[in-house]
Amino acid sequence: QQQVKQSPQSLIVQKGGIPIINCAYENTAFDYFPWYQQFPGKGPALLIAIRPDVSEKKEGRFTISFNKSAKQFSLHIMDSQPGDSATYFCAAHNTGGFKTIFGAGTRLFVKA
Amino acid sequence: NAGVTQTPKFQVLKTGQSMTLQCAQDMNHNSMYWYRQDPGMGLRLIYYSASEGTTDKGEVPNGYNVSRLNKREFSLRLESAAPSQTSVYFCASSEAARVSGNTIYFGEGSWLTVV
Repeated sequence: QQQVKQSPQSLIVQKGGIPIINCAYENTAFDYFPWYQQFPGKGPALLIAIRPDVSEKKEGRFTISFNKSAKQFSLHIMDSQPGDSATYFCAAHNTGGFKTIFGAGTRLFVKA
Repeated sequence: NAGVTQTPKFQVLKTGQSMTLQCAQDMNHNSMYWYRQDPGMGLRLIYYSASEGTTDKGEVPNGYNVSRLNKREFSLRLESAAPSQTSVYFCASSEAARVSGNTIYFGEGSWLTVV
């Protein structure tokens, strides 16, 4: 019940394409869903986050879509650039809980 | 602004040796964490400290010990290193683990190889 399942494991797109990364969860107590971005040799950093009371959140070229009934959420990167090449982690947290649960990660490569 | 600083950056250990990974944060955060990252496994929580004076096990605590030395510092100790502990270790901190919207700030990682 604590798992967050992330797919795909890796993704290659052309510059300008729209990569989509999907995550699914079981625990309905989760109430905060962040995405972290990690560049090679660095630690992950918060990219964008959403709460289950909204179905979509946009920040620049990054959009989270959230489907509460299906217990799924996804990250879309509009007009992807080679600089977006990184590993992306979805995560889930519940108020009152001590742990943020991370997905397994998706390695994205954007071809120039 | 240093954020979360961890040392060493790289370390090679022989099986059975012990070592301590050091971590310090300068953001006045209450909660600190140690994660390990392995290919295809994501980030797995080893131990966390919700507040100064407390520590608790995460998903994969076996073979590790931790010390919350003060509010700023949280160390991870491998008492008898094993090849299965070859990994990248991340120290992290957040304002308060139980708060909704809890953003975790990560250090740059420590690459550990056990031979």
